[in-house]
This record gives sequence, structure tokens and C-alpha cells, in this order.
Amino acid sequence: DIQMTQSPSSLSASVGDRVTITCRASQTISTYLNWYQQKPGKAPKLLIYAASSLQSGVPSRFSGSGSGTDFTLTISSLQPEDFATYYCQQSYIGRTFGQGTKVEIK
Amino acid sequence: EVQLVETGGGLIQPGGSLRLSCVASGFTVSTNYMSWVRQAPGKGLEWVSVIYSGGSTYYADSVKGRFTISRDNIENTLYLQMNSLRAEDTAVYYCARGIASSSPFDYWGQGTLVTVSS
Repeated sequence: DIQMTQSPSSLSASVGDRVTITCRASQTISTYLNWYQQKPGKAPKLLIYAASSLQSGVPSRFSGSGSGTDFTLTISSLQPEDFATYYCQQSYIGRTFGQGTKVEIK
Repeated sequence: EVQLVETGGGLIQPGGSLRLSCVASGFTVSTNYMSWVRQAPGKGLEWVSVIYSGGSTYYADSVKGRFTISRDNIENTLYLQMNSLRAEDTAVYYCARGIASSSPFDYWGQGTLVTVSS
């Protein structure tokens, strides 16, 4: 099974900050990497697919990069509505999620 | 408009059975890649099961042999039959759509809570 490891598991940031979350796969997954945002009590929402493609309707402050085993989600200027938990997911073989990164208000 | 609505959750004793339903609208379940994903209280997301458009099904090791995914093409509904339930199956269960086998989950239901406890 492919394991996904996110870091950090949590972070504190201020509105306007640039935030970077990393995700590492236990084997190469090409660019079959997706990012989701989840707010408390809500279903996850797709942000980025295929490592760097922005899902329709998602603000352009969100971006993704990487290929192979190492990937990054960047929020260029953190907004109040961005405080949430973020998950990476591989879709190369089956489906595996990272453990999540909680972005909290500093 | 694409919509997924799960029902069927509730409180069930260990060893019991429950069937979850996910009614889809705005697209055809049978031509998509449909999954169940769960989230234990305060924990992360765990993929549970998938049914491909061709009918093939796959399961996480944690539920293999106990859970069965299926669909009703006429009712445009996805199901998850859960047997021999354990305390560790307690979670919010989401159904989610993927267009193809390597696609992300672009639409999710609101989730239904399953609590396994005596």
C-alpha cells in the first residue's frame, strides 16, 4: 500500500501569511496527487487535482506543485476562511489520504 | 446540479449490521467511480470501498469480508452494507464521486454518522 505523510500536522499562521504544506508518498505516484480542504462538521472539498490543477471555483491563492514522491500545497495569502484541515490524497493505486494538516489562527 | 445524500447511519450494537444509502442526482452513478470514505471522530479520512463503472469492487483491508458496496442503477443509488460491526467502525461515512479510476473525488455527500456501541 502507498503511504502518504503530511507535514506539519498542524501550524499556526496569521491572515496574510504564506502557508506551505508538504506531502510525501512512500513510492512514486507521478502527479496523481490531490488536495482537499475540510472544515469542522463539513465534507472535504477538492482544491487541487493532478498535483497542480486548480479545481473550478477555488481561489487562485491556492496552488500545488510536485511530482514523483514530494508535493506541496501553498496558500499565498491566508484568508480567514482558509483556517481548516488540509489532506493530500494519492490516486495512483487505490486511494490513500495523508493524516491531515490543521491550519489554526495565530 | 450534482448532489449526493447519504442516509442510514445510527447507533448499532457491536456485531450488528447496517446499510448506508447514497442517493445521487445530477449524474449517473453507474458511469462513475463511486467510493465510500469514513472519518472516525477527531481523526483523518480513510478510504473504505470503491465500485467501478464496470462493476468491479475493492475494499480497504480493515473492512474486507465485512462490508459490501453495491449500486442500484435504476434508483441511481450507492449502498454500503456493513456487517459484523466493531467499535472501530464508528465514524462519519461519506460517499464520493470520481469520474475515473485515477480521478480525485470531486463531489462528496454530507456524511452519515455510524456509532457502534453497546
